[in-house]
Amino acid sequence: AQSVTQPDIHITVSEGASLELRCNYSYGATPYLFWYVQSPGQGLQLLLKYFSGDTLVQGIKGFEAEFKRSQSSFNLRKPSVHWSDAAEYFCAVGAWEGGGADGLTFGKGTHLIIQP
Amino acid sequence: DAMVIQNPRYQVTQFGKPVTLSCSQTLNHNVMYWYQQKSSQAPKLLFHYYDKDFNNEADTPDNFQSRRPNTSFCFLDIRSPGLGDAAMYLCATSRDLRGGNEQFFGPGTRLTVL
Repeated sequence: AQSVTQPDIHITVSEGASLELRCNYSYGATPYLFWYVQSPGQGLQLLLKYFSGDTLVQGIKGFEAEFKRSQSSFNLRKPSVHWSDAAEYFCAVGAWEGGGADGLTFGKGTHLIIQP
Repeated sequence: DAMVIQNPRYQVTQFGKPVTLSCSQTLNHNVMYWYQQKSSQAPKLLFHYYDKDFNNEADTPDNFQSRRPNTSFCFLDIRSPGLGDAAMYLCATSRDLRGGNEQFFGPGTRLTVL
């Protein structure tokens, strides 16, 4: 079974500074990887996803993520954060077990705080 | 805009009183999912429907049931809510089952159990 680890529960970043949120996954085959963002009291919005091909993927709101197979990582980055980026960020892995059906397995999330 | 809609956004029920949460979608997706998200935790998959085929996660309590009367609607029934069932319930859809299919989430229903 797949699993996702987000080692940072909280991260505080100054507005305008760069951001990197860490995500490590465990899955036997090539994973499908996602980053979602959740604002307080809201559902989840997809930021970006990786299936195959170019290991650096671009998403919405200026986010990008890099898939590193050797490190089993899919870290999310943004060069300059805005106060509106304050939210909960979830990394997730999707599996396709050859005919089986799976939802997403989420990490526990990283709470991003933006300070002025 | 095509979307996933959940009603109500906030639901209060009493301990042991059955409650139904509703999800509808205009995306015409084949798959609909229900997730439970407790405070400060990751969403946890309860079950999903692929068309009319129901798939229950092994650790989903029997207290939780679901119905999908047509493509657009899916309901989550909690037969006898306990205090531990207080959570945000998220509905999601995807076009297909394959792991790479993006899931589109509704805004969630926050359930309070008194």
